Amino acid sequence: QVQLVQSGSELKKPGASVKISCKASGYIFTSYAMNWVRQAPGQGLEWMGWINTNSGNPTYAQGFRGRFVFSLDTSVSTAYLQISSLKTEDAAVYYCARAAGGHDYSFWYFDLWGRGTLVTSSS
Amino acid sequence: QSVLTQPPSVSGAPGQRVTISCTGSSSNIGAGYDVHWYQQLPRTAPKLLIYGNINRPSGVPDRFSGSKSGTSASLAITGLQAEDEADYYCQSYDTSLSDNYVFGTGTKVTVL
Repeated sequence: QVQLVQSGSELKKPGASVKISCKASGYIFTSYAMNWVRQAPGQGLEWMGWINTNSGNPTYAQGFRGRFVFSLDTSVSTAYLQISSLKTEDAAVYYCARAAGGHDYSFWYFDLWGRGTLVTSSS
Repeated sequence: QSVLTQPPSVSGAPGQRVTISCTGSSSNIGAGYDVHWYQQLPRTAPKLLIYGNINRPSGVPDRFSGSKSGTSASLAITGLQAEDEADYYCQSYDTSLSDNYVFGTGTKVTVL
């Protein structure tokens, strides 16, 4: 079964770090780039960036440079999102999403999504 | 702040046709980049609905259709059903920002 399984909800104090996992199954993990998308409570979708699952090279959207880190463990077909120095405004659902659409990344779309991981930052 | 603008809400009675617009600019839709659409049912993850402007993934009913013209795109839902009540987002690629991919502001579809 082709799917992305994300780790469970996280409740952290401001200033702490959190690491979310996204395990792929049913397809060749390194054949598709992995993206991360944030959705704050009651808000729309916000693209955070992507990671090349072959090289491990990450690309971050402008608002996600510094405290956000994408990583991989290809041996277990898993992508990770780590957020450090958590702020209350980081509270959101974080989705991993597989990119499809061929070699030209300007035509990519997100054809497979995880169920999302809720991160809450509260003292 | 998204560069793709959608109406906040649209509504229709069961069986009716509704359309959702997605207005961009010369740095995204108008530059020839594809538009894709996602459906997000309440408390669930987004699901790909239309890709490459007009294409439906396997399993998506043909009641959903997409189109693109100039700097805008549209999603049409014909024969509206109660199960179509959801949020809908367009998505494209943009060259004006360092953010490669942009989502629309989102539209809530209500079935009356």
